[in-house]
Amino acid sequence: DAGVTQSPTHLIKTRGQHVTLRCSPISGHKSVSWYQQVLGQGPQFIFQYYEKEERGRGNFPDRFSARQFPNYSSELNVNALLLGDSALYLCASSFFSGASASNEQFFGPGTRLTVL
Amino acid sequence: LAKTTQPISMDSYEGQEVNITCSHNNIATNDYITWYQQFPSQGPRFIIQGYKTKVTNEVASLFIPADRKSSTLSLPRVSLSDTAVYYCLVGGKAAGNKLTFGGGTRVLVKP
Repeated sequence: DAGVTQSPTHLIKTRGQHVTLRCSPISGHKSVSWYQQVLGQGPQFIFQYYEKEERGRGNFPDRFSARQFPNYSSELNVNALLLGDSALYLCASSFFSGASASNEQFFGPGTRLTVL
Repeated sequence: LAKTTQPISMDSYEGQEVNITCSHNNIATNDYITWYQQFPSQGPRFIIQGYKTKVTNEVASLFIPADRKSSTLSLPRVSLSDTAVYYCLVGGKAAGNKLTFGGGTRVLVKP
């Protein structure tokens, strides 16, 4: 079975540009979450989508937005890139929504974003 | 979500047992304890989850005392490939799918 896939694997942008990252969840998973991981730190929650609706948002500025499509894939968009946005962006999928007691999520390999 | 505290790093040798203790003094009644493993340049991977006492799977064991204010992840007979960062998380139904990661414990397994 295919795991969570993300594209692209690496990306280099300059300050002020816009970026779109893509994620395909495991087949049958309806929940997708996005995390940002700065080098040397643990992942930080950005968004969660379930059944195409936003179900959670972390402490990130409005420059960050996301959406989920009918096939449950998802895009993360970041506008007006800053140097500090350089990080590994992780997508995770799970079968359940917020009603589950399980915290098992399946992570993709991430997209390494470098902002110059 | 309850804050967790775990050692920054630990060294071990191949074949030894590694025990990582996580403190979560403010754990709520409905919170579960979950551990993730992360290799460099990869996404975290779920290892084990428990609520109380002991949980064991093919990879690890999780020991949770009665007061649930701490937990210990036990990795039996580690190999070089177990070198990774291990994260302890606590959360329950209210957290939904939002995982709150701390700094993790960097485990280095030496030959």
